[in-house]
Amino acid sequence: DGGITQSPKYLFRKEGQNVTLSCEQNLNHDAMYWYRQDPGQGLRLIYYSQIVNDFQKGDIAEGYSVSREKKESFPLTVTSAQKNPTAFYLCASSILAGGQTSYGYTFGSGTRLTVV
Amino acid sequence: LAKTTQPISMDSYEGQEVNITCSHNNIATNDYITWYQQFPSQGPRFIIQGYKTKVTNEVASLFIPADRKSSTLSLPRVSLSDTAVYYCLVGDFTNAGKSTFGDGTTLTVKP
Repeated sequence: DGGITQSPKYLFRKEGQNVTLSCEQNLNHDAMYWYRQDPGQGLRLIYYSQIVNDFQKGDIAEGYSVSREKKESFPLTVTSAQKNPTAFYLCASSILAGGQTSYGYTFGSGTRLTVV
Repeated sequence: LAKTTQPISMDSYEGQEVNITCSHNNIATNDYITWYQQFPSQGPRFIIQGYKTKVTNEVASLFIPADRKSSTLSLPRVSLSDTAVYYCLVGDFTNAGKSTFGDGTTLTVKP
């Protein structure tokens, strides 16, 4: 089955540590995204990428970093500079057919990150 | 960037039709309207997408008036399993990442 795989499902981070969240898709989608969701709130965009080796900051990029070395993969690193990283992180992908997304975003099942 | 406004919450009973309206007064000519459903601790799931008039699929209908400043997601005969958060997303999608999710509408279906 085609889809997006996020790992791990749960992640615990100590203060001052960097952690990397994995996101892999086999949908052959062009664009990939990272969102953060806090309890009872909507999704906020962290980073997105439309093409390999290129990515743009979203609304809340501070304290995060990404890479897009392969079309299928878009890992997110939560750095020690992110002061409040405890949240639910969602990865998504979309087609960019003729410059427009079709059928919207496909989301992974998320990674819940907790600072201990 | 089109900002969306939805009711924070709605209650319904099993078997009823539910209509959730989203306001997007500054929608642009190239913007599409997409609705998503999210269950706790899961990623949002695509429900339906439209540009104007009416769109229907196997799970929902989407009504968009001529001025496109609002849209209504219609869920026929809801069941308990339709209890979820519903998001309205507006964007032209020509520049990925330019669409914004609001806080969504929490729909609670009661027996």
